[in-house]
Amino acid sequence: DAGVIQSPRHEVTEMGQEVTLRCKPISGHDYLFWYRQTMMRGLELLIYFNNNVPIDDSGMPEDRFSAKMPNASFSTLKIQPSEPRDSAVYFCASSLVGGYSGNTIYFGEGSWLTVV
Amino acid sequence: KQEVTQIPAALSVPEGENLVLNCSFTDSAIYNLQWFRQDPGKGLTSLLLIQSSQREQTSGRLNASLDKSSGRSTLYIAASQPGDSATYLCAVSGSARQLTFGSGTQLTVLP
Repeated sequence: DAGVIQSPRHEVTEMGQEVTLRCKPISGHDYLFWYRQTMMRGLELLIYFNNNVPIDDSGMPEDRFSAKMPNASFSTLKIQPSEPRDSAVYFCASSLVGGYSGNTIYFGEGSWLTVV
Repeated sequence: KQEVTQIPAALSVPEGENLVLNCSFTDSAIYNLQWFRQDPGKGLTSLLLIQSSQREQTSGRLNASLDKSSGRSTLYIAASQPGDSATYLCAVSGSARQLTFGSGTQLTVLP
């Protein structure tokens, strides 16, 4: 398996623009997670899905952030409008049973977002 | 709210040395604890996963221990190599089915 695939790997955008980050989880995994990593706050869970259904979005910082999972092989994280403080690395991850019962969680290589 | 602390934040050792990385967590009601490795510009790679009922896990030169009651875990790396240089993060999984990460220990192994 190719692992968790994220795109774009790097994006530089101007403040106010819409940003869409994409993720393809590992085939057969039924949990998908979006994390954000910054120097100040470390790794934070934004939202996670189980069988394409959002389960917990309490980590989504503001209404400017939204996430969708239209099918088992694709998810998007959208920021509209983007702000400089959104600059971070956004990771997508997937696992078989949510991680808590022992299945390993697999991370993509991240989308490096810079908002200027 | 679960909080995970990793000490030290950075560590530099000569090649061949054995070393220990520390992780502590405030809420002992966890399902498991994982150690991850992160290389610069890359994602996280899971190294070891310890279930809450287990005391330790081993993989090659790595050994992770878990003392749930005291809220501590250690990652032991034997005979360190320059290729071990990376940031090591621990994360605990609680009832919310989400991982809470520590801020990591940046390890540099000098040749």
